[in-house]
Amino acid sequence: NAGVTQTPKFQVLKTGQSMTLQCAQDMNHEYMSWYRQDPGMGLRLIHYSVGAGITDQGEVPNGYNVSRSTTEDFPLRLLSAAPSQTSVYFCASRRTGDYGYTFGSGTRLTVV
Amino acid sequence: GENVEQHPSTLSVQEGDSAVIKCTYSDSASNYFPWYKQELGKRPQLIIDIRSNVGEKKDQRIAVTLNKTAKHFSLHITETQPEDSAVYFCAPVTGGFKTIFGAGTRLFVKA
Repeated sequence: NAGVTQTPKFQVLKTGQSMTLQCAQDMNHEYMSWYRQDPGMGLRLIHYSVGAGITDQGEVPNGYNVSRSTTEDFPLRLLSAAPSQTSVYFCASRRTGDYGYTFGSGTRLTVV
Repeated sequence: GENVEQHPSTLSVQEGDSAVIKCTYSDSASNYFPWYKQELGKRPQLIIDIRSNVGEKKDQRIAVTLNKTAKHFSLHITETQPEDSAVYFCAPVTGGFKTIFGAGTRLFVKA
């Protein structure tokens, strides 16, 4: 049971490049979310999903796309990277009902 | 949408003292109230939670209390230790869908 796995752990992008951050969980959790955390700041919700085929926007969705074709995977796509997207990205999942999130180890993204 | 506020933003205590962090929320439909701890450079981890039909829950040195009428819940840490130094986040959940985190409270425990 690996929990929530994020890849890559580190990434440097040039402005304008696109990329996909991968997130997979093996706990059969229905809910999955992407958060970004800027230095010294809190966690801001980008997108979330309540099950395969269902996604919705969070607090800061602009510049990001998601899809959820399977229960296990929830990739986050950066369409055209900007320096303002430099951050640590956390993927998290949880069961339906009153349960807390399990977080992945994060992806540290730098856009130059 | 849900408005979540934590106070204080920074808390410094002497080892052995108690620490209390308060979280206020706006959505009266919130029904699940977790607290997360994030150590420097690590991922957030759930440390304690409480459901809406319970007023208080304890787990060794940490406890959470809930006041649904006033729409706030608090994290209590007793006999603080240096390893309690971290950032603590509240994240009340409404209807089981999107979860908004508070801005965090940075706790320093001085030895």
